Amino acid sequence: DIVMTQSPDSLAVSLGERATISCKSSQSVLYTSNNQNYLAWYQQKPGQPPKLLIDWASTRESGVPDRFSGSGSGTDFTLTISSLQAEDVAIYYCQQYYSTPFTFGPGTKVDIK
Amino acid sequence: QVKLQESGPGLVKPSETLSLTCTVSGVSINSHYWGWIRQSPGKGLAWIGYIYYIGTTNYNPSLRSRVTISLDRSKNQFSLKLTSVTAADTAMYYCARLALGDLGEQGPFDIWGQGTMVTVSS
Repeated sequence: DIVMTQSPDSLAVSLGERATISCKSSQSVLYTSNNQNYLAWYQQKPGQPPKLLIDWASTRESGVPDRFSGSGSGTDFTLTISSLQAEDVAIYYCQQYYSTPFTFGPGTKVDIK
Repeated sequence: QVKLQESGPGLVKPSETLSLTCTVSGVSINSHYWGWIRQSPGKGLAWIGYIYYIGTTNYNPSLRSRVTISLDRSKNQFSLKLTSVTAADTAMYYCARLALGDLGEQGPFDIWGQGTMVTVSS
C-alpha cells in the first residue's frame, strides 16, 4: 500500500495570510506514460462530506477559488491557500489514486489564528 | 446536477451484514466508476472499494473477504454489503463517483453523497 503522510497535523493562520500543507507519499504517484501525478486534495468541513479541490496534483476543480493551489511531483506535494478566509476553516486531506488500495493522508486541520 | 444519496440502516448488530444503497441522480451509472469510502468517528478516510459500470470490482484487501459492491441499473443505484461486522466497522459511510482520467482510468472522487452513519452495536 502507498502510505500518505501530511504535515503539520494542524495549523492556525491569520486571516489573509498564507497556509501551506505538505503531503508525502511512500512511493511515487507519477505515471510516467502520461506525466501525470495521481494525487488529489480534499476539503472537509464539519458535518459535510469531503469536497474535491484539486486533482492531478495541481488542477483546480471548477468553482474552487484561485487562492487554492497545488504543486509537487513524484512523492512530495503541497497545498497552498494564498490568503486564508474564514470559510477555509476545515480539515484538508490528500489522496493517491495511482494504485489500489487508494489511500488518504491523515488530514491537516486549518484554523484561524 | 449529479447527486448521490446513501440509504440504509443506521444500526447493525455485531456479526450481521451491513447493507447500504447509493442512489444516483442526474447521470446514468452506465459510465464511470462508483465507490464507497468510510470515516470512523474522529478518524480519517478509508477507501472500501469501487465498481466499474461494466460490473468489474476492486476492493480494499483489508476488507476484501467481507465486501461486495454491486450495481442495479434499473434503479440507477449501486450497493455495498459488508458481512460479519464488528464495532470497528462503526463509521460514516460515503458513496462517491470516481472521475475518469485521460486514459479512461480511475481518477479522484469528484462527487460525494452526504454520508450515512452506521453504528455496530447489540
